[in-house]
Amino acid sequence: NAGVMQNPRHLVRRRGQEARLRCSPMKGHSHVYWYRQLPEEGLKFMVYLQKENIIDESGMPKERFSAEFPKEGPSILRIQQVVRGDSAAYFCASSPAFGDWTQYFGPGTRLLVL
Amino acid sequence: GQQVMQIPQYQHVQEGEDFTTYCNSSTTLSNIQWYKQRPGGHPVFLIQLVKSGEVKKQKRLTFQFGEAKKNSSLHITATQTTDVGTYFCAGPPNSNSGYALNFGKGTSLLVTP
Repeated sequence: NAGVMQNPRHLVRRRGQEARLRCSPMKGHSHVYWYRQLPEEGLKFMVYLQKENIIDESGMPKERFSAEFPKEGPSILRIQQVVRGDSAAYFCASSPAFGDWTQYFGPGTRLLVL
Repeated sequence: GQQVMQIPQYQHVQEGEDFTTYCNSSTTLSNIQWYKQRPGGHPVFLIQLVKSGEVKKQKRLTFQFGEAKKNSSLHITATQTTDVGTYFCAGPPNSNSGYALNFGKGTSLLVTP
């Protein structure tokens, strides 16, 4: 019974490149959340998606960041033209249904922008 | 909007001492959850409290939900080095605050042997 999977676990990018982070939710879960965590800080909500729909993107910067959760395949968080300030751990969490607030987190992607 | 606050931000104890972290919400919560994140790891769900005044135990961990459902606490008895990590509380959104859990900023616990 696989948990939430994220890849890559570590990603190094140079300024101006694109970062693409993938998240496969737990089997049977159709709700995905993305969070960003800076060193020594808490979890900052970015976006909440269901299959093929963005439900709440209020925590995601309007420029350079986008997210999708297609009908088939993993959820993807895309960061275009990365800057050093994008360096952080990005966690994905999934839940089985709206209103079931228990969140199962993946291992995260540590993004380092040089 | 709804805010969830945790104190203290950091706590350093000797192994064997007790530890408590407190969580306060600006609004009444339908439930509250606690997560633990080990250094370098990811948050792991510990427990959910739903009822007013509820108390739950997991071995040396005791979780309480306040009578007004606006505060909660996590108490660890006789800490061990394996308890090291950051403990987050989180409350579900109310109707005006979106669709995501509201996490506190966490309490980082350091236990020295």
